[in-house]
Amino acid sequence: QSALTQEASVSGTVGQKVTLSCIGNNNNIGRYAVGWYQQISHGALKTVMFGNSLPSGIPDRFSGSKSGTTASLTISGLQPEDEADYYCSTWDYSLSARVFGGGTKVTVL
Amino acid sequence: QVQLVQSGAEVKKPGASVKVSCKASGYTFTSYDINWVRQATGQGLEWMGWMNPNSGNTGYAQRFQGRVTFTTNTSISIAQMELSSLISEDTAVYYCARADGHNSVDYWGQGTLVTVSS
Repeated sequence: QSALTQEASVSGTVGQKVTLSCIGNNNNIGRYAVGWYQQISHGALKTVMFGNSLPSGIPDRFSGSKSGTTASLTISGLQPEDEADYYCSTWDYSLSARVFGGGTKVTVL
Repeated sequence: QVQLVQSGAEVKKPGASVKVSCKASGYTFTSYDINWVRQATGQGLEWMGWMNPNSGNTGYAQRFQGRVTFTTNTSISIAQMELSSLISEDTAVYYCARADGHNSVDYWGQGTLVTVSS
């Protein structure tokens, strides 16, 4: 059981906007910035959103937001190369641990 | 540019220990924590703990307490994770990752596959 809750899967067509959510509580997302990580075909992990910042080299079709205890990652203009698993993560104050969501599989139809 | 380069794949027998290395470059090694995360085949990400290379302070995830040890060598910017009393369920890819305290991880190593098999 992951501390952060993500959709198991999200799909969209090329060019469509898709939004992934990450639900936590006041001990984690409510307190700390959230990171989002892309993993293509169970390969290396890449940071696509770091707090409110887009890391260097990440296309600006990726954006992140947070409202209360829910964080979101939006891909505006989905591309075939965006097909991957996406994980959210943050620090949890009560657990004194870094926590992850279970991951969302994004499929490009 | 920031890079975290990990040591190569390992095959270990049950009961043995494994040590994975993570060589950092492109930034001041002592300014960021190193976190360790693992991923079993087909599974999600599991956090193992962190270490601050400057202070030597560590924090271990409860399920690994007593079985995992983090060390760093600041002179050569290397972090290491040692996991002992290996069982088959420890078969996974192990990642090192950089983070600034409680802030999000920003850079990852390429991962090291550890296979535990008799």
